[in-house]
Amino acid sequence: SQQGEEDPQALSIQEGENATMNCSYKTSINNLQWYRQNSGRGLVHLILIRSNEREKHSGRLRVTLDTSKKSSSLLITASRAADTASYFCATDEAGGTSYGKLTFGQGTILTVHP
Amino acid sequence: GAVVSQHPSWVICKSGTSVKIECRSLDFQATTMFWYRQFPKQSLMLMATSNEGSKATYEQGVEKDKFLINHASLTLSTLTVTSAHPEDSSFYICSASRTSGANEQFFGPGTRLTVL
Repeated sequence: SQQGEEDPQALSIQEGENATMNCSYKTSINNLQWYRQNSGRGLVHLILIRSNEREKHSGRLRVTLDTSKKSSSLLITASRAADTASYFCATDEAGGTSYGKLTFGQGTILTVHP
Repeated sequence: GAVVSQHPSWVICKSGTSVKIECRSLDFQATTMFWYRQFPKQSLMLMATSNEGSKATYEQGVEKDKFLINHASLTLSTLTVTSAHPEDSSFYICSASRTSGANEQFFGPGTRLTVL
């Protein structure tokens, strides 16, 4: 079963609004990553946050990580119609036997209306 | 940099035939490649981890004799779906990790397999 659970499953907002997606996981991790996927396409890496980091920024993206609650959030500020996509969190479990193996969450489908 | 390609991008085949999907890291060496399967409106499910020069490690529930993985070089891994059936129709995505540095994975564009 997938380690990551994301909420909401779907999010619909207007252009210019902020979008927040949450991810929870179950095991200790080395890092947590967020990916974006346009319909029927491959994944685009957005941001990686290590287990000893609490917050990270990249352009309009802000990611937080709370290892005590085993949760992370992705905030997209000033959303654009082009941000419409599915967003996945993925965890790299600590102590895993496979280097870099990722476990993906169920994803959040974001729709930004112009 | 860090581009991963997949070929073909889509394939339609008859039930019972075998299909080979290639995954290439174009501008870096990848000791490890991963193969995922994604059903419509679902998340990615890891199928196997492929290390160059050694046998792939399959996830629980994935039949290694049905999904043959070969990682013959640091830039190429192949997934062969043997005796494909309609239930194997899915989106297959590979990813590759550099031999050094952070464990960021670089994903290919995916291959859409449709088995008739």
